[in-house]
Amino acid sequence: EVQLVESGGGLVQPGGSLRLSCEASGFTFSHYAMNWVRQAPGKGPEWLSYIANGGGTAYFADSVRGRFTISRDNAKNSLYLQMNSLRAEDTAVYYCARGIAAAGSCWCPYFDSWGQGTLVTVSS
Amino acid sequence: EIVLTQSPGTLSLSPGERATLSCRASQSVSSTYLGWYQQKPGQAPRLLLYGASNRATGIPDRFSGSGSGTDFTLTISRLEPEDFAVYYCQQYSSSPLTFGGGTKVEIK
Repeated sequence: EVQLVESGGGLVQPGGSLRLSCEASGFTFSHYAMNWVRQAPGKGPEWLSYIANGGGTAYFADSVRGRFTISRDNAKNSLYLQMNSLRAEDTAVYYCARGIAAAGSCWCPYFDSWGQGTLVTVSS
Repeated sequence: EIVLTQSPGTLSLSPGERATLSCRASQSVSSTYLGWYQQKPGQAPRLLLYGASNRATGIPDRFSGSGSGTDFTLTISRLEPEDFAVYYCQQYSSSPLTFGGGTKVEIK
């Protein structure tokens, strides 16, 4: 059974930093691209970042590019999101999600498995 | 950026009724690269359909999808009590990946 477990969320002041982790199990982690998706209270999901299975390619949404960094450690079956310069509008539940790209498409995936999410609150 | 607009915002139906949810894209979605997700309160989204009409593993056949280009539909043939939730569409045709604003299916 695929399992994704996020951790690292919490309360942080504006301008602060936070590092989220996602531990994967139940599948061969190194074979899959991974993503971070967030959901603000009462809103739809928002894709944030993608990292290829080998870790050599990453993409970001405009809203977080330059502030967030994605990384992975395939030996530890773990995905990370380093979040800097946090703003109030970054308050959301953050999910890691396994990505499946359709043949012939860009790198762009749909998300077939999600973690339970970790809440990040940016407030003074 | 492809903007996805879902309608209606809320659908009030009774168990056993048919639900028809719409997702309209601001630009054509290539090769039906569209997915649908179900989300219940306090839970993560769950993949229902990919490729506009392919059911994900374990999804019952009362869920079906259709459409192409800019207009897509999710149909739930007969609503079961566990189907009352929020539904989102997502395009993976181009970057950035985007989601619709959701349709809430509530019990009438």
